Amino acid sequence: EVQLVESGGGLVQPGGSLKLSCAASGFTFSGSAMHWVRQASGKGLEWVGRIRSKANNYATVDAASVKGRFTISRDDSKNTAYLQMNSLKTEDTAVYYCTRENFDYWGQGTLVTVSS
Amino acid sequence: QVVLTQSPSASASLGASVKLTCTLSSGHSSYAIAWHQQQPEKGPRYLMNLNSDGSHSKGDGIPDRFSGSSSGAERYLTISSLQSEDEGDYYCQTWGTGIVLFGGGTKLTVL
Repeated sequence: EVQLVESGGGLVQPGGSLKLSCAASGFTFSGSAMHWVRQASGKGLEWVGRIRSKANNYATVDAASVKGRFTISRDDSKNTAYLQMNSLKTEDTAVYYCTRENFDYWGQGTLVTVSS
Repeated sequence: QVVLTQSPSASASLGASVKLTCTLSSGHSSYAIAWHQQQPEKGPRYLMNLNSDGSHSKGDGIPDRFSGSSSGAERYLTISSLQSEDEGDYYCQTWGTGIVLFGGGTKLTVL
């Protein structure tokens, strides 16, 4: 059974940092690209970025709204993807989901609140 | 860049059918999309991939009540025999040039 479990969310002040994790199981993690998607309260889904597999040089791409502030990485030995979020803004407040390459499985999400 | 347009809301009666629409922007009518369902207070759930020719592949455990079809730049999700648990938000999603895009979502109310 494919499972994606996000963790690491919480309350952080504007300008602060937070690192989210996405623990994967039930499939060959190392062969799959991984995406992060977020959803502000009452709003739609917004793609944050993705990281490809080792075979594709771990290539990353980020949405314009987070470029230069967020970094996606992965540790295939731990079957885990990460989202490092720096210089956080109040508008980054959202539930953050991870999903695998074809968006066919999603995690339950982790809430990030940026507030003073 | 491709843009996906969805009607903000739709409604249909219990047991009836409803057809939701996702429209691809001009020049992008060949794009495949995916449909995702989000029930209240839950994370998204993948429903299916839908190609421009109407062929589709559904996710694990998705009932036969859910089907997809295409016409030109329009991508449709049809839900038949509506049940109360079908109420929620439905998003279409596609792949642009190096990025991923979502439609604004359609809120489905089951009357």
